[in-house]
Amino acid sequence: DSGVTQTPKHLITATGQRVTLRCSPRSGDLSVYWYQQSLDQGLQFLIQYYNGEERAKGNILERFSAQQFPDLHSELNLSSLELGDSALYFCASSVEGQGVEAFFGQGTRLTVV
Amino acid sequence: SQQGEEDPQALSIQEGENATMNCSYKTSINNLQWYRQNSGRGLVHLILIRSNEREKHSGRLRVTLDTSKKSSSLLITASRAADTASYFCATDGDNYGQNFVFGPGTRLSVLP
Repeated sequence: DSGVTQTPKHLITATGQRVTLRCSPRSGDLSVYWYQQSLDQGLQFLIQYYNGEERAKGNILERFSAQQFPDLHSELNLSSLELGDSALYFCASSVEGQGVEAFFGQGTRLTVV
Repeated sequence: SQQGEEDPQALSIQEGENATMNCSYKTSINNLQWYRQNSGRGLVHLILIRSNEREKHSGRLRVTLDTSKKSSSLLITASRAADTASYFCATDGDNYGQNFVFGPGTRLSVLP
């Protein structure tokens, strides 16, 4: 158990819909990262938050947005969903600093039909 | 952007053999990490090597780092069927300021 909790585990929704993925980081971790992993692909970095503030942004679509709340949990909002958005979405957390380890949640498998 | 590139993309070996995976990266780094992912699960940290280190061991894992060639290798000795997974290298820092930049991974299959 990494200590990072993601909900829901599975999500099936229709094209054009909007979903929210939730992540609770490991206790004490201020940084939260979101990644997208399509079938048999590597991890595409979407966005990072640190203590409520956006820290770094990757190839995140304009239809996607995220935030980190005062209690440090984070949400990834995906809207106007397309079939190509079907993927595993991972959240990871870490402490601040270099040479630190990222702890991953078990992911949310999103299927858009 | 993906700074790390693992090689090979897929590797199939027999139980008991050694497995070697390579990672090449583009920009200078402070450290490089290897992670393992069982099918459809979250990634698990295996080992970290700092830029001033050349080799590191952890159990059956041996990692090397050659900063002059911008490459790293992960060696798994005496492989087991349970080692079947995808292995990713992750570097720190790129133009996006990311802390963890993952490559596309190597899919390792260990056949019993």
